[in-house]
Amino acid sequence: ETGVTQTPRHLVMGMTNKKSLKCEQHLGHNAMYWYKQSAKKPLELMFVYNFKEQTENNSVPSRFSPECPNSSHLFLHLHTLQPEDSALYLCASSQEVGQGFTDTQYFGPGTRLTVL
Amino acid sequence: AQKITQTQPGMFVQEKEAVTLDCTYDTSDQSYGLFWYKQPSSGEMIFLIYQGSYDEQNATEGRYSLNFQKARKSANLVISASQLGDSAMYFCAMREGHSNNAGNMLTFGGGTRLMVKP
Repeated sequence: ETGVTQTPRHLVMGMTNKKSLKCEQHLGHNAMYWYKQSAKKPLELMFVYNFKEQTENNSVPSRFSPECPNSSHLFLHLHTLQPEDSALYLCASSQEVGQGFTDTQYFGPGTRLTVL
Repeated sequence: AQKITQTQPGMFVQEKEAVTLDCTYDTSDQSYGLFWYKQPSSGEMIFLIYQGSYDEQNATEGRYSLNFQKARKSANLVISASQLGDSAMYFCAMREGHSNNAGNMLTFGGGTRLMVKP
């Protein structure tokens, strides 16, 4: 499935760096998501954007800052991260048609982030 | 309490045989959707199959089928004729349909690692 792309695929950064993760969906969907997948923990939802508006911030620290300039692009800006933020960050998109429980989320390949 | 439970951290299956991956869920909603995803070592989460709470028949997609037992709140994934490329992590997930679902929440289980033996 190449409908959702993410760049970079791998990122190593220091705790004082600022970097951004990019996600682009080519499926014409109206909702986009950021998830965090840490070792030995279930996938955790971080942010949700419906029609470019943020509708969910799942108690995520402010060192993670999302941006959704349009319905096809989603960014995650990173600054002053901690080593425990090292994880696989997955982007997803879906077409929300009102009956949420039927709408499938399609994922990108992820960005594997290492914070030194 | 966990909403999605996958009790098998790892499983082996012989190539060409069928395998069942277990998933139980917990919800008080009448409307909900159940999803299975495959995650190979490359990291991408690949959608496999969907079952809605109101669907009377078990979902099927090629070699994948979902054994949906609503009263027992289980949604087991059955993979028939296993192939070496099926080796991966498999995640069960649920979306609940309560009216305040503005967050589009998809809740995942802890996953099962499937290893197919040649």
